[in-house]
Amino acid sequence: AQSVTQPDIHITVSEGASLELRCNYSYGATPYLFWYVQSPGQGLQLLLKYFSGDTLVQGIKGFEAEFKRSQSSFNLRKPSVHWSDAAEYFCAVASSGGSYIPTFGRGTSLIVHP
Amino acid sequence: DAGVTQSPTHLIKTRGQQVTLRCSPKSGHDTVSWYQQALGQGPQFIFQYYEEEERQRGNFPDRFSGHQFPNYSSELNVNALLLGDSALYLCASSRRVGVGTDTQYFGPGTRLTVL
Repeated sequence: AQSVTQPDIHITVSEGASLELRCNYSYGATPYLFWYVQSPGQGLQLLLKYFSGDTLVQGIKGFEAEFKRSQSSFNLRKPSVHWSDAAEYFCAVASSGGSYIPTFGRGTSLIVHP
Repeated sequence: DAGVTQSPTHLIKTRGQQVTLRCSPKSGHDTVSWYQQALGQGPQFIFQYYEEEERQRGNFPDRFSGHQFPNYSSELNVNALLLGDSALYLCASSRRVGVGTDTQYFGPGTRLTVL
């Protein structure tokens, strides 16, 4: 069965600093990978996704993520964080071979200091 | 283009009651999935509907049931509510592609509180 680990429950950064949120997945074949963001009291917004091809994926709001098969990782990065980026971030993995139902990690809460 | 919409936004029920949540998918989408998100957790898959039939189901009891209408909108019903059913219920819509679907887009959710 597929699974996702987000090892950091909370991450605190200063505004303008760079950001990296970690995600490790478990899946036997090449997975579909996603990052979603959730603001307080809101639904999930898709930031970016990886299906195949270039392992460096560009998303919305200046985010990018890199798929590293050897490390089973799909870390999310942003070079300069804005206060409005404070939110909950979820990594998800889905089967490339069928059901396509994503399995989500527990999420990482991003806190941005001015 | 309207995205995924859900109603109501908030709901308070008591134990043992029944509840119905509603979802309208994004235009052009024919598949609806429902998720339960407990406080401090990631969303957990409940079930998915396509062509008015339940196609896949997660590890949820049969107190959780659903329906999809010809216009692709969907309902989630929960019977005999328990305190542990308190959560944010998210609807996601997508397009069917082969045996799977394209990327899921989520609605804002319905916050259910069971007292």
